[in-house]
Amino acid sequence: DAGVIQSPRHEVTEMGQEVTLRCKPISGHDYLFWYRQTMMRGLELLIYFNNNVPIDDSGMPEDRFSAKMPNASFSTLKIQPSEPRDSAVYFCASSLGGGGQGEKLFFGSGTQLSVL
Amino acid sequence: KQEVTQIPAALSVPEGENLVLNCSFTDSAIYNLQWFRQDPGKGLTSLLLIQSSQREQTSGRLNASLDKSSGRSTLYIAASQPGDSATYLCAPTDNYGQNFVFGPGTRLSVLP
Repeated sequence: DAGVIQSPRHEVTEMGQEVTLRCKPISGHDYLFWYRQTMMRGLELLIYFNNNVPIDDSGMPEDRFSAKMPNASFSTLKIQPSEPRDSAVYFCASSLGGGGQGEKLFFGSGTQLSVL
Repeated sequence: KQEVTQIPAALSVPEGENLVLNCSFTDSAIYNLQWFRQDPGKGLTSLLLIQSSQREQTSGRLNASLDKSSGRSTLYIAASQPGDSATYLCAPTDNYGQNFVFGPGTRLSVLP
C-alpha cells in the first residue's frame, strides 16, 4: 500500500479564498483523522471519522472549517474563507481500529498551507 | 483536559549513547499511548504503541514503558545513531482510544 496520500503538498493562497485539502487513507482503515501542526500550538486534532461518519469535530476551530468523507477512500478538509492564521501544516492520518495495535496511526506527508 | 509535557525539549548527544526521553500526562484514564518520530518536513511515523494494560513495548533498539497511574511514559533508545536524529512525540489517547493528544516533542540530535 502507498500509505496515506495527501494533496497538495504545498498550497499558497490569498486571504478570503477557499482552500480544499485532500486525503486518501490506507485501504481497509476504518478511522481517518485530520490534524493541524503549528509552532505555537503543536499538533492538534481537528476532526476524526469512523467508517466515513464524523465522530468528534470539537477541534474544528470555526465554522470556516468543514470536513467530509464521502467514501472510504477519500476525505476533504475545506477552509472558506481562509485567513492568515490558518497557515499551518495539515496532516491526515488513518488507523485500522479494532483495539490493540490496530490503533496505530499512519500519517500522510502533510499539506503546507500559507495564507497571505 | 489532557495535557502532555515532554522533557527535555531538545537533546544533543554523541553517537553510541543510550538515551531516555520522558513524557508526562495529566489524565491517567488513557486507552493507550504511542510514541512517534517526525523528521523535518515530514509526517509522523508511529514507533511504538503501548496499551493501557501493558507496561512496555520493544522494537529493535527502542523500548517504551508506561506507568499509567503516575502519568508517565519513557522512550529508551539504545546505542544511538545519527539516523535517530528527529523529533520524538508521545501521544496518549482518551479512554475511547481515538483522541490522541500530542506532546510538544523532544528534538534529538545524535552527532557522529
